[in-house]
Amino acid sequence: SQQGEEDPQALSIQEGENATMNCSYKTSINNLQWYRQNSGRGLVHLILIRSNEREKHSGRLRVTLDTSKKSSSLLITASRAADTASYFCATVPPFNTNAGKSTFGDGTTLTVKP
Amino acid sequence: DAGVTQSPTHLIKTRGQHVTLRCSPISGHKSVSWYQQVLGQGPQFIFQYYEKEERGRGNFPDRFSARQFPNYSSELNVNALLLGDSALYLCASSPLGYEQYFGPGTRLTVT
Repeated sequence: SQQGEEDPQALSIQEGENATMNCSYKTSINNLQWYRQNSGRGLVHLILIRSNEREKHSGRLRVTLDTSKKSSSLLITASRAADTASYFCATVPPFNTNAGKSTFGDGTTLTVKP
Repeated sequence: DAGVTQSPTHLIKTRGQHVTLRCSPISGHKSVSWYQQVLGQGPQFIFQYYEKEERGRGNFPDRFSARQFPNYSSELNVNALLLGDSALYLCASSPLGYEQYFGPGTRLTVT
């Protein structure tokens, strides 16, 4: 079974609105990462948050991490049609110094309507 | 700078056949990982190689094998193909840091 589980499975919003996606995981982590995937193509790395961090920002992206609840959220502000994609969270276990064995959830499909 | 490249882009095979997928990492990256992504699901870890040695293996049968060459490129081999092997196969390279850089994938269809 997948370590991470994204919620909701699908999200449809209007351009300009904010989009929030959540990820829950089951075991301890070294870090958690969010990726974007357009139409079944390769994944693009968005942001990494370490287990000792609570919040991180990158442009219009804001990620939070609550290790006590084993959950993370990705907020995309002022969404654009180009943000339409699937978003995945991936976890890296403790003592793993690289992301090469990431465990992914099944993703949230975001549709931003112009 | 060239990103991670994978070949072929698409592949159609028949059940029972064998397939070889290829990946070239970003220059300077010594770690290569392979993932299988079935339609509608997230990627699942298959293998990781670093410095030509296997560093991790996911929950996949022995029909799946891989290797890494001296130039850090990698091959994923799948024997005795099953219909359930139809998926997007993703390769990712890493400089042994925390970020992975994914290639565009190889779409394998088994009929």
